[in-house]
Amino acid sequence: GAGVSQSPSNKVTEKGKDVELRCDPISGHTALYWYRQSLGQGLEFLIYFQGNSAPDKSGLPSDRFSAERTGGSVSTLTIQRTQQEDSAVYLCASSLSLQGEKLFFGSGTQLSVL
Amino acid sequence: QQQVKQSPQSLIVQKGGISIINCAYENTAFDYFPWYQQFPGKGPALLIAIRPDVSEKKEGRFTISFNKSAKQFSLHIMDSQPGDSATYFCAGLTGYALNFGKGTSLLVTP
Repeated sequence: GAGVSQSPSNKVTEKGKDVELRCDPISGHTALYWYRQSLGQGLEFLIYFQGNSAPDKSGLPSDRFSAERTGGSVSTLTIQRTQQEDSAVYLCASSLSLQGEKLFFGSGTQLSVL
Repeated sequence: QQQVKQSPQSLIVQKGGISIINCAYENTAFDYFPWYQQFPGKGPALLIAIRPDVSEKKEGRFTISFNKSAKQFSLHIMDSQPGDSATYFCAGLTGYALNFGKGTSLLVTP
């Protein structure tokens, strides 16, 4: 596609439910990132994929968060047993470079946990 | 912890004026300093970037000034326009992970 695509664009869920957020990166981009954007908190790094492997999961806030990437393309971020503090915009980015020099971001998924 | 500190949190500038956003960093391993621009409902987009061996980089109305000894860098937007109204993020890169500042919300009034 022309850019990074994320779905859904908005997700409202109840506390305790599981959610899956999807990211379709730009074709051919080897590196894929997930960031979380909370109001007034900037962009918080969650996880980085190099191909299908995730050498750095250090940013995941808790073991309720997990992510996978298949076929070197689509990635899914899963949040189990959602909590109200998980409410945020989840941004996916991809990059041709493995050094993270130019990230192309999707428009994000706005997650609201009630 | 916050490795890049950005100020101000918000900024209002009149059309035609100069917008200045400042960032300070802690990690001397950073080797690339980009600025991203984000419009409401969109993801951030790379605006301009600099490496620490250069003191200034200019692209059109946008200039980065970099002071390695002070561990500070700033974005200057000359002749600011209402279309520049957005949130701006500075960042530092080490390895593959960008560390972002908390952002500056810029409003350019007509």
